[in-house]
Amino acid sequence: ETGVTQSPTHLIKTRGQQVTLRCSSQSGHNTVSWYQQALGQGPQFIFQYYREEENGRGNFPPRFSGLQFPNYSSELNVNALELDDSALYLCASSLEGWTGAFFGQGTRLTVV
Amino acid sequence: ELKVEQNPLFLSMQEGKNYTIYCNYSTTSDRLYWYRQDPGKSLESLFVLLSNGAVKQEGRLMASLDTKARLSTLHITAAVHDLSATYFCAVDASSSGTYKYIFGTGTRLKVLA
Repeated sequence: ETGVTQSPTHLIKTRGQQVTLRCSSQSGHNTVSWYQQALGQGPQFIFQYYREEENGRGNFPPRFSGLQFPNYSSELNVNALELDDSALYLCASSLEGWTGAFFGQGTRLTVV
Repeated sequence: ELKVEQNPLFLSMQEGKNYTIYCNYSTTSDRLYWYRQDPGKSLESLFVLLSNGAVKQEGRLMASLDTKARLSTLHITAAVHDLSATYFCAVDASSSGTYKYIFGTGTRLKVLA
């Protein structure tokens, strides 16, 4: 158990809707990253937040956005959902200075 | 852009047999991680390899890293059914203050009784 918790665990949304996924990082971890894992593929880096600022972004469109709060918890927001957004979304937290990431259990998003 | 390739993508093996999964990556990195993922579940950390020549072993699994060859291997000894899962390598692609992994394509392992 890593101490990184995500909610909800499963979610079904309709194409065009908006969704918010939540992540509570491991105690003391001030860096949070989000990954998207499509079925049958490896996770892909979406973006990272450090001290409430976006600190790097992968190859994802602007409709993927995020927030980090003073307690280091984080949200991933996706607007205008598309069918291809169906995936497992993983949150990972880490310490400043990078000692490796600890992954949460993920949120399974299905877009219909 | 850093690319990470694993082979094989699928592996079906008999219990008791040995096999090796390979992870090749395209640019320099000194850190590599191996994860296990069961269907519908998150990633379970198996090994952290932090330098050239690093070797780690846990039970029937042994991982090694050759940074000069840009190659890591995950060796399975005397496979058992419980090892059936998907295995990912992830290369540390951190730069300019952004800490991130680039994951391989995954190797889906099925151990047959």
